[in-house]
Amino acid sequence: GNSVTQMEGPVTLSEEAFLTINCTYTATGYPSLFWYVQYPGEGLQLLLKATKADDKGSNKGFEATYRKETTSFHLEKGSVQVSDSAVYFCALRLSSGGSNYKLTFGKGTLLTVNP
Amino acid sequence: GAGVSQSPRYKVAKRGQDVALRCDPISGHVSLFWYQQALGQGPEFLTYFQNEAQLDKSGLPSDRFFAERPEGSVSTLKIQRTQQEDSAVYLCASSLALGGMGYEQYFGPGTRLTVT
Repeated sequence: GNSVTQMEGPVTLSEEAFLTINCTYTATGYPSLFWYVQYPGEGLQLLLKATKADDKGSNKGFEATYRKETTSFHLEKGSVQVSDSAVYFCALRLSSGGSNYKLTFGKGTLLTVNP
Repeated sequence: GAGVSQSPRYKVAKRGQDVALRCDPISGHVSLFWYQQALGQGPEFLTYFQNEAQLDKSGLPSDRFFAERPEGSVSTLKIQRTQQEDSAVYLCASSLALGGMGYEQYFGPGTRLTVT
């Protein structure tokens, strides 16, 4: 079956530190990959996505590269801000097949950035 | 424009009670999804609607769970005879496209259900 494994949190960083949140996946097909962010009290928001191998998704200073050879989609940001404090979810969706609408999520990683 | 809205935001139910959770998708969105998020876990797929048709209910955990979208807009997730293991955040998402393929799923804020 399909699954997503992301690094366990919580992650606590100081402002302007470098961020990496690891994500690996297992999929029966060829998936699209996503990072979602959940700010306190709000719904999940799409942060970035990549639909094929070697694609790089980027948004708000965050980046992730679709690595088919290592089945990974690690999230990075060069300099985090206090406002980046949130829960981050890695997710996949199959690109074809009968269930290509389902998102499969990892467990989430809580990031806290201190001033 | 308005995003996906859900009500109530919080619901406390005594074990054995029935509950109904409402989702108002973004206007014009064809696809609607329900997910269940247990504490400390990622969301898990429950069911999918395309307009008023429920095309996939494979994620519903038991026959106590029932979802409907009679007019292809608002959806209700009903849980009968609630159990403690039903305690979770229930997320609704909608998407412009049929099946959601290639289009973003927009999530509501969720309903936090606590069964005591």
